[in-house]
Amino acid sequence: AQSVTQLGSHVSVSEGALVLLRCNYSSSVPPYLFWYVQYPNQGLQLLLKYTTGATLVKGINGFEAEFKKSETSFHLTKPSAHMSDAAEYFCAVIFYNTDKLIFGTGTRLQVFP
Amino acid sequence: GAGVSQTPSNKVTEKGKYVELRCDPISGHTALYWYRQSLGQGPEFLIYFQGTGAADDSGLPNDRFFAVRPEGSVSTLKIQRTERGDSAVYLCASSSSSGAASHTFGSGTRLTVV
Repeated sequence: AQSVTQLGSHVSVSEGALVLLRCNYSSSVPPYLFWYVQYPNQGLQLLLKYTTGATLVKGINGFEAEFKKSETSFHLTKPSAHMSDAAEYFCAVIFYNTDKLIFGTGTRLQVFP
Repeated sequence: GAGVSQTPSNKVTEKGKYVELRCDPISGHTALYWYRQSLGQGPEFLIYFQGTGAADDSGLPNDRFFAVRPEGSVSTLKIQRTERGDSAVYLCASSSSSGAASHTFGSGTRLTVV
């Protein structure tokens, strides 16, 4: 069955540390892949997406993600965390021949001073 | 408008009542989506419009839920005989086309059924 999985519902890092949020999908055909961020009481904001082409995708706020077909993964990274990065992060996919986003369960990122 | 607008931002209703939630997409966006986000969960797909027609309504949980987009712009999500389990944030998104085009989300309507 087609699915998307985010490992770790909570991730805590110190300010300045590397951020790594994990996302894996299950599908025989690689989907379109997205990362969204949600700040408290706000809507979802697109961080970055992969559709075709270069597998390393750069997004807003210094985030990037790499599509690895062999690992069916699309992990989100940022070299140095800021306090302002504290939020909920959602990995989402659009599977082949569909038009709807399927979301993971989210990862809450906490950044400590 | 500049973004996706959803009204009201908050709605409290009594169990059994009827509610309507409105979404005003970005001008010119042909695709419009409704999602529902329960507390602590990721958004779940409800329905997708391409123009005026519902291209995929497979996510509507039951026949108490209905959505329209009569002129291909504004959409209304309608919930009849509301139940406490309907309490959630209802998110609307629009995009310039289907498939790989990015969804732009509104801020949502928080529905509370008491």
